[in-house]
Amino acid sequence: AQSVTQLDSHVSVSEGTPVLLRCNYSSSYSPSLFWYVQHPNKGLQLLLKYTSAATLVKGINGFEAEFKKSETSFHLTKPSAHMSDAAEYFCVVSYGYQKVTFGTGTKLQVIP
Amino acid sequence: NAGVTQTPKFRVLKTGQSMTLLCAQDMNHEYMYWYRQDPGMGLRLIHYSVGEGTTAKGEVPDGYNVSRLKKQNFLLGLESAAPSQTSVYFCASSASGVSYGAFFGQGTRLTVV
Repeated sequence: AQSVTQLDSHVSVSEGTPVLLRCNYSSSYSPSLFWYVQHPNKGLQLLLKYTSAATLVKGINGFEAEFKKSETSFHLTKPSAHMSDAAEYFCVVSYGYQKVTFGTGTKLQVIP
Repeated sequence: NAGVTQTPKFRVLKTGQSMTLLCAQDMNHEYMYWYRQDPGMGLRLIHYSVGEGTTAKGEVPDGYNVSRLKKQNFLLGLESAAPSQTSVYFCASSASGVSYGAFFGQGTRLTVV
């Protein structure tokens, strides 16, 4: 069975410090992986996606994620947090036609 | 702005009432989806459509019906609302299928009392 685990439900960082949001997946297939961001009272926006090309994926707003097959991980990082990054982030694994599984989300708090 | 628009944004229903949520997209996408979001559970797929006139069941279809009479619209119906259907509902659309990424609407917050 395919699954995705976001290891932290809440992460708090100071503005200007690095962000690390952790995601582990399990999949019988070579997966496609995504990170989405949801700002308060907004829909989900695609940040970045991995589809078996380069293992380091760059997304919007300075975020990037690295696919590590040996660790079954797809952690999201950003070198320097900005106040506007405060939101909820979802890791998503795709494992076939029309089939995706969403993680339970990580709420990122940015402290001024 | 192009995108996915959901109507209404908020609604309170009494148990047993019916309602329809409307999703409209102007990107000419073939694929459309309805999800529900509940705390600590991520998003779960209710129903989806791979083109005008088609619908299919997702992970949690019970208590919901859908229709895709026009390519740009995807309707989600609750015939007899139950408190367990209190949730935030998201519509999404995609050109190539959700497995390649999707655009999401802003959500509809539904409370059933």
